[in-house]
Amino acid sequence: IAGITQAPTSQILAAGRRMTLRCTQDMRHNAMYWYRQDLGLGLRLIHYSNTAGTTGKGEVPDGYSVSRANTDDFPLTLASAVPSQTSVYFCASSETGGGNQPQHFGDGTRLSIL
Amino acid sequence: GQNIDQPTEMTATEGAIVQINCTYQTSGFNGLFWYQQHAGEAPTFLSYNVLDGLEEKGRFSSFLSRSKGYSYLLLKELQMKDSASYLCAVMDSNYQLIWGAGTKLIIKP
Repeated sequence: IAGITQAPTSQILAAGRRMTLRCTQDMRHNAMYWYRQDLGLGLRLIHYSNTAGTTGKGEVPDGYSVSRANTDDFPLTLASAVPSQTSVYFCASSETGGGNQPQHFGDGTRLSIL
Repeated sequence: GQNIDQPTEMTATEGAIVQINCTYQTSGFNGLFWYQQHAGEAPTFLSYNVLDGLEEKGRFSSFLSRSKGYSYLLLKELQMKDSASYLCAVMDSNYQLIWGAGTKLIIKP
Protein backbone atom coordinates (compact mmCIF):
# COMPACT_ATOMS: atom_id res chain seq x y z
CA ILE A 1 0.00 0.00 0.00
CA ALA A 2 1.44 3.36 -1.03
CA GLY A 3 2.11 5.85 1.70
CA ILE A 4 4.56 6.93 4.35
CA THR A 5 6.43 4.54 6.60
CA GLN A 6 7.96 5.68 9.88
CA ALA A 7 10.30 3.70 12.11
CA PRO A 8 10.50 2.92 14.90
CA THR A 9 6.87 2.93 16.06
CA SER A 10 7.98 3.80 19.57
CA GLN A 11 11.21 4.19 21.46
CA ILE A 12 12.43 4.85 24.98
CA LEU A 13 15.76 6.63 24.98
CA ALA A 14 18.19 7.77 27.63
CA ALA A 15 18.96 11.48 27.72
CA GLY A 16 22.14 12.36 25.89
CA ARG A 17 21.82 9.55 23.35
CA ARG A 18 21.69 10.10 19.61
CA MET A 19 18.59 8.91 17.77
CA THR A 20 17.47 8.88 14.13
CA LEU A 21 13.81 8.60 13.22
CA ARG A 22 13.29 7.17 9.78
CA CYS A 23 10.71 8.24 7.22
CA THR A 24 10.17 6.81 3.73
CA GLN A 25 7.47 7.61 1.19
CA ASP A 26 6.68 5.87 -2.08
CA MET A 27 4.33 8.47 -3.57
CA ARG A 28 7.13 10.39 -5.31
CA HIS A 29 6.11 13.52 -3.42
CA ASN A 30 8.50 16.44 -3.66
CA ALA A 31 7.86 17.95 -0.24
CA MET A 32 8.36 16.28 3.13
CA TYR A 33 7.92 17.47 6.70
CA TRP A 34 8.64 16.56 10.29
CA TYR A 35 6.23 17.60 13.05
CA ARG A 36 6.02 17.00 16.75
CA GLN A 37 2.66 16.71 18.50
CA ASP A 38 2.36 17.43 22.21
CA LEU A 39 -0.77 17.28 24.36
CA GLY A 40 -2.72 20.53 24.23
CA LEU A 41 -0.65 21.96 21.41
CA GLY A 42 -1.06 21.93 17.68
CA LEU A 43 1.34 20.10 15.42
CA ARG A 44 4.59 22.06 15.28
CA LEU A 45 6.86 21.98 12.26
CA ILE A 46 10.44 20.97 13.01
CA HIS A 47 12.04 20.84 9.56
CA TYR A 48 10.85 20.55 6.01
CA SER A 49 12.16 19.83 2.53
CA ASN A 50 10.53 21.14 -0.63
CA THR A 51 12.62 18.93 -2.90
CA ALA A 52 15.48 16.44 -2.72
CA GLY A 53 18.72 18.15 -1.78
CA THR A 54 17.11 21.07 0.07
CA THR A 55 15.91 21.48 3.65
CA GLY A 56 14.52 24.31 5.77
CA LYS A 57 13.85 25.12 9.40
CA GLY A 58 10.36 25.14 10.82
CA GLU A 59 8.99 26.57 14.04
CA VAL A 60 10.96 24.37 16.48
CA PRO A 61 14.21 23.22 14.80
CA ASP A 62 16.63 23.42 17.74
CA GLY A 63 18.11 20.07 18.74
CA TYR A 64 17.06 18.40 15.48
CA SER A 65 18.67 17.92 12.07
CA VAL A 66 17.45 16.45 8.80
CA SER A 67 18.80 15.42 5.42
CA ARG A 68 17.13 14.79 2.05
CA ALA A 69 19.54 12.79 -0.06
CA ASN A 70 16.77 11.47 -2.33
CA THR A 71 13.05 11.90 -2.96
CA ASP A 72 11.88 9.02 -0.81
CA ASP A 73 13.77 9.37 2.49
CA PHE A 74 13.72 12.12 5.10
CA PRO A 75 15.38 11.07 8.37
CA LEU A 76 15.21 13.19 11.51
CA THR A 77 18.15 13.08 13.94
CA LEU A 78 18.29 14.08 17.58
CA ALA A 79 21.98 14.62 18.21
CA SER A 80 21.76 14.53 22.01
CA ALA A 81 18.26 13.78 23.27
CA VAL A 82 16.74 15.79 26.14
CA PRO A 83 13.54 15.04 28.11
CA SER A 84 11.71 18.01 26.49
CA GLN A 85 11.96 16.14 23.19
CA THR A 86 9.56 13.51 24.52
CA SER A 87 6.73 13.69 22.00
CA VAL A 88 4.94 12.00 19.13
CA TYR A 89 6.76 12.67 15.87
CA PHE A 90 4.94 12.66 12.56
CA CYS A 91 6.47 12.65 9.12
CA ALA A 92 4.34 13.97 6.27
CA SER A 93 4.61 14.54 2.54
CA SER A 94 2.82 16.49 -0.17
CA GLU A 95 3.13 16.66 -3.95
CA THR A 96 4.54 20.17 -3.77
CA GLY A 97 5.52 22.54 -0.98
CA GLY A 98 2.50 24.82 -0.99
CA GLY A 99 -0.89 25.69 -2.32
CA ASN A 100 -3.78 23.29 -2.16
CA GLN A 101 -1.79 20.08 -1.82
CA PRO A 102 -2.84 18.19 1.32
CA GLN A 103 -0.17 16.65 3.47
CA HIS A 104 -0.22 12.88 4.00
CA PHE A 105 1.01 11.60 7.35
CA GLY A 106 2.84 8.54 8.57
CA ASP A 107 1.63 6.67 11.65
CA GLY A 108 4.04 8.48 13.96
CA THR A 109 6.90 7.61 16.30
CA ARG A 110 6.23 7.82 20.03
CA LEU A 111 9.50 8.88 21.65
CA SER A 112 10.17 9.02 25.38
CA ILE A 113 13.40 10.54 26.68
CA LEU A 114 14.31 9.59 30.22
CA GLY B 1 2.24 36.07 16.45
CA GLN B 2 0.24 33.46 14.62
CA ASN B 3 -2.72 31.87 16.30
CA ILE B 4 -5.36 29.26 15.54
CA ASP B 5 -8.24 28.87 18.02
CA GLN B 6 -10.59 25.91 18.27
CA PRO B 7 -12.75 24.64 21.14
CA THR B 8 -10.92 21.99 23.13
CA GLU B 9 -13.79 19.52 23.31
CA MET B 10 -17.34 19.11 22.05
CA THR B 11 -20.03 16.49 22.66
CA ALA B 12 -22.81 15.54 20.25
CA THR B 13 -25.38 12.81 19.80
CA GLU B 14 -25.32 10.09 17.17
CA GLY B 15 -27.42 11.11 14.15
CA ALA B 16 -27.22 14.82 14.97
CA ILE B 17 -25.30 17.72 13.38
CA VAL B 18 -22.28 19.43 14.91
CA GLN B 19 -20.34 22.55 13.91
CA ILE B 20 -16.69 22.93 14.91
CA ASN B 21 -15.40 26.49 14.69
CA CYS B 22 -11.91 27.73 13.95
CA THR B 23 -10.65 31.31 14.08
CA TYR B 24 -7.22 32.32 12.91
CA GLN B 25 -4.73 35.15 12.90
CA THR B 26 -1.79 34.42 10.63
CA SER B 27 0.84 36.21 8.60
CA GLY B 28 -0.75 35.78 5.22
CA PHE B 29 -3.28 33.25 4.06
CA ASN B 30 -2.89 30.57 1.40
CA GLY B 31 -5.71 28.25 2.34
CA LEU B 32 -7.26 26.45 5.29
CA PHE B 33 -7.28 22.71 5.86
CA TRP B 34 -9.31 20.43 8.11
CA TYR B 35 -7.95 17.08 9.25
CA GLN B 36 -9.41 14.24 11.29
CA GLN B 37 -7.27 12.41 13.82
CA HIS B 38 -8.46 9.33 15.68
CA ALA B 39 -6.75 8.68 19.01
CA GLY B 40 -3.32 7.19 18.54
CA GLU B 41 -3.44 7.54 14.77
CA ALA B 42 -2.17 9.88 12.07
CA PRO B 43 -4.11 12.95 10.89
CA THR B 44 -6.03 12.41 7.66
CA PHE B 45 -7.10 15.13 5.24
CA LEU B 46 -10.76 16.15 5.17
CA SER B 47 -11.13 19.44 3.30
CA TYR B 48 -9.46 22.52 1.86
CA ASN B 49 -10.86 26.06 1.49
CA VAL B 50 -9.11 28.99 -0.12
CA LEU B 51 -12.09 31.05 -1.31
CA ASP B 52 -15.01 32.26 0.80
CA GLY B 53 -17.97 29.96 0.96
CA LEU B 54 -19.03 26.42 1.62
CA GLU B 55 -17.36 23.27 0.33
CA GLU B 56 -19.46 20.14 0.66
CA LYS B 57 -18.11 16.62 0.63
CA GLY B 58 -20.63 13.99 1.63
CA ARG B 59 -21.56 14.28 5.32
CA PHE B 60 -18.80 16.84 5.87
CA SER B 61 -18.85 20.50 4.83
CA SER B 62 -16.35 23.27 5.47
CA PHE B 63 -16.98 27.02 5.39
CA LEU B 64 -14.53 29.90 5.11
CA SER B 65 -14.78 33.66 5.65
CA ARG B 66 -11.41 35.26 5.00
CA SER B 67 -12.52 38.73 6.08
CA LYS B 68 -13.51 37.35 9.50
CA GLY B 69 -10.59 34.93 9.85
CA TYR B 70 -13.13 32.19 10.47
CA SER B 71 -13.94 28.70 9.34
CA TYR B 72 -16.16 25.91 10.48
CA LEU B 73 -16.44 22.19 9.84
CA LEU B 74 -20.00 20.85 9.74
CA LEU B 75 -20.59 17.16 10.33
CA LYS B 76 -24.05 15.77 9.55
CA GLU B 77 -25.71 12.47 10.46
CA LEU B 78 -23.08 11.82 13.09
CA GLN B 79 -21.82 8.29 13.49
CA MET B 80 -19.89 6.77 16.38
CA LYS B 81 -16.84 6.47 14.13
CA ASP B 82 -16.78 10.28 13.87
CA SER B 83 -15.47 10.39 17.44
CA ALA B 84 -12.02 11.90 16.87
CA SER B 85 -10.06 15.12 17.06
CA TYR B 86 -10.55 17.65 14.27
CA LEU B 87 -7.59 19.82 13.42
CA CYS B 88 -7.76 23.20 11.71
CA ALA B 89 -4.62 24.37 9.90
CA VAL B 90 -3.86 27.55 7.94
CA MET B 91 -1.18 27.89 5.28
CA ASP B 92 0.67 31.13 5.93
CA SER B 93 2.57 33.48 3.63
CA ASN B 94 5.62 31.16 3.76
CA TYR B 95 3.45 28.22 2.66
CA GLN B 96 3.87 26.56 6.04
CA LEU B 97 0.90 25.08 7.88
CA ILE B 98 0.03 26.61 11.25
CA TRP B 99 -2.03 24.14 13.27
CA GLY B 100 -4.67 24.54 15.91
CA ALA B 101 -4.56 22.29 18.97
CA GLY B 102 -7.59 20.39 17.73
CA THR B 103 -11.15 19.81 18.89
CA LYS B 104 -11.92 16.48 20.51
CA LEU B 105 -15.40 15.41 19.39
CA ILE B 106 -17.23 12.90 21.59
CA ILE B 107 -20.26 11.18 20.08
CA LYS B 108 -22.83 9.73 22.46
CA PRO B 109 -25.44 7.12 21.48
